[in-house]
Amino acid sequence: GDSVTQMEGPVTLSEEAFLTINCTYTATGYPSLFWYVQYPGEGLQLLLKATKADDKGSNKGFEATYRKETTSFHLEKGSVQVSDSAVYFCALSGGGSYIPTFGRGTSLIVHP
Amino acid sequence: SQTIHQWPATLVQPVGSPLSLECTVEGTSNPNLYWYRQAAGRGLQLLFYSVGIGQISSEVPQNLSASRPQDRQFILSSKKLLLSDSGFYLCAWTLGSVEKLFFGSGTQLSVL
Repeated sequence: GDSVTQMEGPVTLSEEAFLTINCTYTATGYPSLFWYVQYPGEGLQLLLKATKADDKGSNKGFEATYRKETTSFHLEKGSVQVSDSAVYFCALSGGGSYIPTFGRGTSLIVHP
Repeated sequence: SQTIHQWPATLVQPVGSPLSLECTVEGTSNPNLYWYRQAAGRGLQLLFYSVGIGQISSEVPQNLSASRPQDRQFILSSKKLLLSDSGFYLCAWTLGSVEKLFFGSGTQLSVL
C-alpha cells in the first residue's frame, strides 16, 4: 500500500537558518503530494502541494518539488523564523482513493 | 466560503463515561468526512471516514463509533471511555477523491 516516510524530529534550528525536512513516498500511480503544518493546539492546514512530477509547490517562503525519480517531496525554507515552529506533515493522495496517507510528522523548533 | 466547526475544544471525562464529539461543515454539499486521532507526540491515526449519509468506514477496531446523521454532520461517540482514548481528535473534510483536506481546530480529550 501507499506510505510516506518523514525524517525523525525534532528539528532544532536558530532563526534565519536553512531548513530541510525530508519526505519520501511509495505509491501506485501518480499521487498528489502535500505538506501540512500544525501549530500548537490547532488543526492541520495545507502549506503547499504539487500534483505532478517536477511541479514545485510554494507558500510563505516554503518550497517542495515533486521528484518522481527519487520519490521525494522534501520541504525547504531558506530562512526560518521563530513563528515557523510547528509540526510538519507530508502526505499523499491519489488513485481515486478516499483515504490520504500521512507521514508521522516532524516537529520543528526555531530558537531566536 | 466553506468552514468546518468542531466542538468542544477541550474535554475532561472520567473513565467509563460516554463521549460525543460533533463536527459540522458549512458551505459545501456531500463532503467526504474524516475523524483522526493524534496521541501526544505522535502522528495522525485515521479512525473513521464517510463518503455519504449513513456510510461509515472504520479503519481501526476500537472503543469508538461514528455516525453521519446529516450530509454535513459527523459525530464521534463512545459508550464507555478508556484511558487510552485520550488524545487530540481532528475532524476533516474534502470533496471527491482526496485532494487537500480541510481540518477543524480539534478537540483535546483527557480521560482520567
